[in-house]
Amino acid sequence: LAKTTQPISMDSYEGQEVNITCSHNNIATNDYITWYQQFPSQGPRFIIQGYKTKVTNEVASLFIPADRKSSTLSLPRVSLSDTAVYYCLVGDADRGSTLGRLYFGRGTQLTVWP
Amino acid sequence: DVKVTQSSRYLVKRTGEKVFLECVQDMDHENMFWYRQDPGLGLRLIYFSYDVKMKEKGDIPEGYSVSREKKERFSLILESASTNQTSMYLCASTFRGEYQETQYFGPGTRLLVL
Repeated sequence: LAKTTQPISMDSYEGQEVNITCSHNNIATNDYITWYQQFPSQGPRFIIQGYKTKVTNEVASLFIPADRKSSTLSLPRVSLSDTAVYYCLVGDADRGSTLGRLYFGRGTQLTVWP
Repeated sequence: DVKVTQSSRYLVKRTGEKVFLECVQDMDHENMFWYRQDPGLGLRLIYFSYDVKMKEKGDIPEGYSVSREKKERFSLILESASTNQTSMYLCASTFRGEYQETQYFGPGTRLLVL
């Protein structure tokens, strides 16, 4: 399973766009990229998932370049409530290889200031 | 919405006690997981189960056991609690999404072993 590298922490101000980049140089052909968000004293929560190019939902956008060796989670106009740890994961879509092997790493602590 | 519940949010036990952590999900998910989360170490997989009465060791199973007698319930057991098992314990279950399994997490149980 490909491991990932993210910045340990990031700071932003309310209303700004935040981009968190994740490196996954050993990503395999069948791997998808997934981002989770975790607030203090809560379990992680799924945000977004993609395979290539760009994916957008009501919460965030995910940009994946052609070589797929990195991905960028984009949070538009962050608020104080977006302060959380963000985890980038990669895994194979085949149930047999992803089962129980999601590697969360240390994540990126995003702090949004007023 | 998927709901994953854990029996306790906070628990204090003494060294040597037997500890049961219960997890229940209400979405008929086949796969369930137990993680522990410690500062600076991210989430580490303890055990997982892909069916009733089936279990597989994760990355750090030592000192733990699990039980899956019913599909909706997955229990983590500390046979003889030790102080190094003080941690946040997170249960998750998986939904087979469009690309890859999306894990839904419970709120966590913060265990203190004295």
